Amino acid sequence: EAGVTQFPSHSVIEKGQTVTLRCDPISGHDNLYWYRRVMGKEIKFLLHFVKESKQDESGMPNNRFLAERTGGTYSTLKVQPAELEDSGVYFCASSPFGTYNSPLHFGNGTRLTVT
Amino acid sequence: TQLLEQSPQFLSIQEGENLTVYCNSSSVFSSLQWYRQEPGEGPVLLVTVVTGGEVKKLKRLTFQFGDARKDSSLHITAAQPGDTGLYLCAGALVYNQGGKLIFGQGTELSVKP
Repeated sequence: EAGVTQFPSHSVIEKGQTVTLRCDPISGHDNLYWYRRVMGKEIKFLLHFVKESKQDESGMPNNRFLAERTGGTYSTLKVQPAELEDSGVYFCASSPFGTYNSPLHFGNGTRLTVT
Repeated sequence: TQLLEQSPQFLSIQEGENLTVYCNSSSVFSSLQWYRQEPGEGPVLLVTVVTGGEVKKLKRLTFQFGDARKDSSLHITAAQPGDTGLYLCAGALVYNQGGKLIFGQGTELSVKP
């Protein structure tokens, strides 16, 4: 089966611009997660979708970040306007079950650099 | 504040040596997962432990979950250059059942031939 796919793999934008990251989960996985790793820090949870609904968005840093999952398939994460501190690697992960012992299948990440 | 403390952050050893990576917390976890990440790729699950005191083995890797489910360790026996990579522990807190994981900072392991 195809794994989790993220696009683009790299993005370099200027402060104030907008960037949209895309994630295609494994087919049939209702649970989709966004995580982020900024330089020198641990990977941190951003939000969790169950199908098209936001189950938990407690990790979203502020209202410059907007995540959507229309139709419950692929998801997008938009940053508008981007700030320098938004630089990092954004990971998407999917799982068939959103339980405490469900393994997450991660994509290769999008490396975002804001200059 | 780091909820899940992972140590050491960096480890450079010779082939054939043994090593242990630790993850510690003051919080109780429903489960603890260990991932391995290669450069340019996403984390890949190695194992999940869910029961206090549980021990799981994966070839030369031994994973243990603490009795109180607040800590875990990864022990590698006779490390090989192919074990080189970033090892991550990640836990699901008991009060969050939605699959949200708390990650440790990771251990960058380098095994020299």
